[in-house]
Amino acid sequence: AQSVSQHNHHVILSEAASLELGCNYSYGGTVNLFWYVQYPGQHLQLLLKYFSGDPLVKGIKGFEAEFIKSKFSFNLRKPSVQWSDTAEYFCAVIDNAGGTSYGKLTFGQGTILTVHP
Amino acid sequence: GAVVSQHPSWVICKSGTSVKIECRSLDFQATTMFWYRQFPKQSLMLMATSNEGSKATYEQGVEKDKFLINHASLTLSTLTVTSAHPEDSSFYICSARAPPGQGFYSNQPQHFGDGTRLSIL
Repeated sequence: AQSVSQHNHHVILSEAASLELGCNYSYGGTVNLFWYVQYPGQHLQLLLKYFSGDPLVKGIKGFEAEFIKSKFSFNLRKPSVQWSDTAEYFCAVIDNAGGTSYGKLTFGQGTILTVHP
Repeated sequence: GAVVSQHPSWVICKSGTSVKIECRSLDFQATTMFWYRQFPKQSLMLMATSNEGSKATYEQGVEKDKFLINHASLTLSTLTVTSAHPEDSSFYICSARAPPGQGFYSNQPQHFGDGTRLSIL
């Protein structure tokens, strides 16, 4: 079974600092990769996704992620965080070996990001 | 705005009672809905996949008789926690998948509800 690992449970930054959240998955086949964000009291929202093509994916709110197949990684980055980025971030993977559009999502443990003004 | 509505958002009940959680797809007809459970500091764990008009598919280790799922219409799925006990206390999240051809709604794998905080005393 595939698994997703997020390296840090809680990251604390000051505004304008750069952000990188690690995500590794354990599946050797074709995968689709996602980052979700959950703001306090709100539902999970899709930040960005990778299906194929350019491994550097740009998402909403200035976030981007890079798929490195050889490292089984899909790290999330933002050059300069804002206080409003305070939230929990989840990396997720879909096994696309079956060739269907969407299979089951497997989530990482989540990383809480706290940004101090 | 919200694409998937989940109700209630928070429920406290006594041990032994049954609790029903509703998940509604507001903007599209969801042929498939999912139910997740999230423990503190842990990932979302898929409990079951619910297809409209058919029996839910439960993940390994999830008790079918404990967590009853009904997906009677294309916009509504319910999760009933039967004879709930304190160990069932958790955060339950539903999501809905739009079929192909629904534009924005089909452009991502699932749309999530806000979750239900269940506390069993």
